Parts: sequence; C-alpha cells; structure tokens
Amino acid sequence: QQQVKQSPQSLIVQKGGISIINCAYENTAFDYFPWYQQFPGKGPALLIAIRPDVSEKKEGRFTISFNKSAKQFSLHIMDSQPGDSATYFCAAGSSSGSARQLTFGSGTQLTVLP
Amino acid sequence: KAGVTQTPRYLIKTRGQQVTLSCSPISGHRSVSWYQQTPGQGLQFLFEYFSETQRNKGNFPGRFSGRQFSNSRSEMNVSTLELGDSALYLCASSWDATETQYFGPGTRLLVL
Repeated sequence: QQQVKQSPQSLIVQKGGISIINCAYENTAFDYFPWYQQFPGKGPALLIAIRPDVSEKKEGRFTISFNKSAKQFSLHIMDSQPGDSATYFCAAGSSSGSARQLTFGSGTQLTVLP
Repeated sequence: KAGVTQTPRYLIKTRGQQVTLSCSPISGHRSVSWYQQTPGQGLQFLFEYFSETQRNKGNFPGRFSGRQFSNSRSEMNVSTLELGDSALYLCASSWDATETQYFGPGTRLLVL
C-alpha cells in the first residue's frame, strides 16, 4: 500500500531530447507528489511537486503529468541537457493520518549524451 | 535562509560501535525526517520528528533511534553497528512532513 513504483531504472537520452520517467502508486491517501533530483555526493533537491487537484504542472523544462484515476504520475524533461544527468526520484506523501512521511520510488539514473 | 546542515559529513566506524549523527533544519521548520540511502534499497524512511515528538517510524530495528530538541535540531543514533549499516544518512526538514522536504547533504557512514 505504501509502495511507489518507478521506471525505468536507467535512461539514456540525446541532448535536446525528451526524458520521461514514470511512477505509479497504490495508496489513494497520497495527496502530494514531489520529484527530486540528486547528483553524486549530494542530497536530493526538490525539482517540482504536484497535488491531485491538477493534472499537469510545468516549471521551465520540467513538467509533471498526473493521472489520478490510473494512480500514475510522470516527469517530462524537455530539451534535455548533459547537466540534467543525475538520479531522479519520485515520491508520494499523505497529509492525513499518522503516515506523515514521503515514500520514494527506486530512482532513475538519467544520462544525457552531448 | 541557510539550508539543512548535517554533521559530520563522513564517518568510519567498526562493527559493534555506536554512532550519533546530527541535523540542523532550516530555520522555522519543525519537522525533521531521516532517511537511509543505499544502492540496493534506495531511499528508506527511518523516522520523523515534529515538535520534539516522534510522529512516524519506518521499518528499521530498534538499534536506530532519534530525538529532536526544542530548537528542532535532531540527532539519530545507531547502536551496535553492523556492516549493512554502511549508507548515506539523509536528513530533511519541512514545515510539515508532507510539505516540501529540503534535504541536507547527508552523512556518509562506513562500517568496517
């Protein structure tokens, strides 16, 4: 019930291409869905987050698409750049009840080729 | 505002020892969460503290414990270290645990 499934595990994209990472969840109590970017030797940094009342949120080259009925959400990175090469984590959290924590996906290692 | 700080950044311990890690949250944040990150298991939730109370705990043995002080600073302790405890330990702070969590750089623990 608490699991968040993330795919693919690794992704190689050419510079200028679109990177797409997908996540799925089961717990319908989740109401907060952030994406984090992590570079080697650093802590995860928040990229963008969405709540279920909207189906899409865009910030610069990063877009979250959210499908509440399918319990899926995805991160799209437009015009991918070599500097985007990092590990990306999706997460889900619930603001109700006692389970006040973020549950993370397993991560996607993105490599953007120059 | 200053970000989340964690000390120390690196630690080497031997099996059976204990270790204490420290986390200073962003000013004004009352929630501090701890995560263990390993290549095999990814990011796993350890526990969350809010206003000095442990509000939630992950599926880790009792050797892992924590506390939060009145100034929201938090410490986690691991007793009787095992080789499998080698990991990056991350602390994250937020106004509330299910709002935006800001991570520190982590403490890299190596158990020999």
